[in-house]
Amino acid sequence: GNSVTQMEGPVTLSEEAFLTINCTYTATGYPSLFWYVQYPGEGLQLLLKATKADDKGSNKGFEATYRKETTSFHLEKGSVQVSDSAVYFCALSDVQGAQKLVFGQGTRLTINP
Amino acid sequence: ETGVTQSPTHLIKTRGQQVTLRCSSQSGHNTVSWYQQALGQGPQFIFQYYREEENGRGNFPPRFSGLQFPNYSSELNVNALELDDSALYLCASSFYGYGYTFGSGTRLTVV
Repeated sequence: GNSVTQMEGPVTLSEEAFLTINCTYTATGYPSLFWYVQYPGEGLQLLLKATKADDKGSNKGFEATYRKETTSFHLEKGSVQVSDSAVYFCALSDVQGAQKLVFGQGTRLTINP
Repeated sequence: ETGVTQSPTHLIKTRGQQVTLRCSSQSGHNTVSWYQQALGQGPQFIFQYYREEENGRGNFPPRFSGLQFPNYSSELNVNALELDDSALYLCASSFYGYGYTFGSGTRLTVV
């Protein structure tokens, strides 16, 4: 079945550092890909998405490119802030059946001042 | 536009009991999905409802059941609670499975 594998955390960086969180997927067909962010005590917020190969999703300085050839959707940000500290989830939309979301296990990011 | 509202935010139940969690969908959304997020894990799909009928289910036993009402609000019911049911339960509404909006979740603790 479809699955998502994320870079294991936790990840700790200093403010203004470059961020990469790796995400690879296994899927039948051509799923849509997403990054969600979860702040402490809250639900999931959509950060960015891409719906087809070579699409680049971007939001709040974060970017990710849908790479079909490497089945990857790595999250990047050029200069992180303390407020970016959260748990990040990579997910794909299962295009078969109920279009459920399949999530990775999450990567906890901590940014130190 | 209202978001997705879940209630209660926290609750504690005893093993063997039954629980009902509630979700109000975002305005304009007609599909609701439920996810279970165990501590330190990603959310796992429980089931999805559209037009008041279940139209997809994850790998969860029948003691997990749901309802969707004409106003698109929803309930998740869990019977015969087990310790492993302790988790954050997330509701997500969408328009025909597109554009998911998640609620803040209900934290269920089974003791």
